Amino acid sequence: GNSVTQMEGPVTLSEEAFLTINCTYTATGYPSLFWYVQYPGEGLQLLLKATKADDKGSNKGFEATYRKETTSFHLEKGSVQVSDSAVYFCALSPNSGYALNFGKGTSLLVTP
Amino acid sequence: NAGVTQTPKFRILKIGQSMTLQCTQDMNHNYMYWYRQDPGMGLKLIYYSVGAGITDKGEVPNGYNVSRSTTEDFPLRLELAAPSQTSVYFCASSPTGGAGAKNIQYFGAGTRLSVL
Repeated sequence: GNSVTQMEGPVTLSEEAFLTINCTYTATGYPSLFWYVQYPGEGLQLLLKATKADDKGSNKGFEATYRKETTSFHLEKGSVQVSDSAVYFCALSPNSGYALNFGKGTSLLVTP
Repeated sequence: NAGVTQTPKFRILKIGQSMTLQCTQDMNHNYMYWYRQDPGMGLKLIYYSVGAGITDKGEVPNGYNVSRSTTEDFPLRLELAAPSQTSVYFCASSPTGGAGAKNIQYFGAGTRLSVL
């Protein structure tokens, strides 16, 4: 079946540090890949997406590249801010059905 | 803009009690979903709906019921609450539904439910 594995948290970084959150997936065919972010007290919101191999999704300084050869979709940001503190979810949408398959989420805390 | 609104935000139930988790969206989305998130786990789909009057089971439907009488509302019903239903529940909606790149979902803030 389809599944998403992302690195365990919590991740604690100092402001302006480089961020990587690893995400790998298992799926048949060519799923679409997403990163969602959940700020404290809010619902999940789409951060970025990629729909085919070698696509790069980007938003708010975050980037992730769809790597089919390594079945990965790692999230990166060059310089994190305190306001980036949140929980980040990697997800995939298979080519059939309606569900999104989510990873467990990675909590990020950025300190001043 | 309201988006997807869930009520209540928190609830404590006793074993065997029943309750309805409310979800409403004002984006005129046809597709709506209910997920649960257990501690340290990803979200799992409980039920979904592709339009008013149409619902279907997701991955973990046991112990829950849903209805979709209007485009805006998609309530989730727990009939006999059990400790295993202690979780955070998220409602989501999608304008187009479908698989792959079309499956962008918009989430509510969640309902945290404890069954004791």
